Amino acid sequence: GDSVTQMEGPVTLSEEAFLTINCTYTATGYPSLFWYVQYPGEGLQLLLKATKADDKGSNKGFEATYRKETTSFHLEKGSVQVSDSAVYFCALSEEGFQKLVFGTGTRLLVSP
Amino acid sequence: DAGVTQSPTHLIKTRGQQVTLRCSPKSGHDTVSWYQQALGQGPQFIFQYYEEEERQRGNFPDRFSGHQFPNYSSELNVNALLLGDSALYLCASSSQGYSNQPQHFGDGTRLSIL
Repeated sequence: GDSVTQMEGPVTLSEEAFLTINCTYTATGYPSLFWYVQYPGEGLQLLLKATKADDKGSNKGFEATYRKETTSFHLEKGSVQVSDSAVYFCALSEEGFQKLVFGTGTRLLVSP
Repeated sequence: DAGVTQSPTHLIKTRGQQVTLRCSPKSGHDTVSWYQQALGQGPQFIFQYYEEEERQRGNFPDRFSGHQFPNYSSELNVNALLLGDSALYLCASSSQGYSNQPQHFGDGTRLSIL
């Protein structure tokens, strides 16, 4: 079945450092890929998405490129802020369906 | 414009009891999905409702059931609660039953089983 694998956390960075959170997926078809963020005590917020190969999703300085050849969708940000501290989830949904399959999440801790 | 709202925010039950969780979708959305998020894990898909019918179901036992009302709101019912049912239950809504429109999540109901 479909699955998503994320790098384990926590990822601990200083403010203004470069961020990469790795995500790879397994799917039978051509899924859409998503990054969601979860702040403490809250639900999930969509951060960015990409619906086909080579698409780049971007939002709030975060970027991720849909790489079909490596089945990856790594999240990057050039300069993190303390306010970016949260748990980040990579997810996919198969074409034509809305069921989301999530990774286990990666906690990001940014210190001043 | 109200987003996805869930009630209650917290709930404490004992083993064997039954619980009902409620969700109102974002305005304009007609599809509701439910997810279970255990502590430290990613959300797991329970089921999805569209046009008052269950369209998809994840790998959850029949103790988990749901309903969607004509106004698109939804309920999740869990019978014969087990300790392992302790989790954050998330509701997500979207528009158009068969598309890859992004889902909008509520803040969840935290269910604790004693």
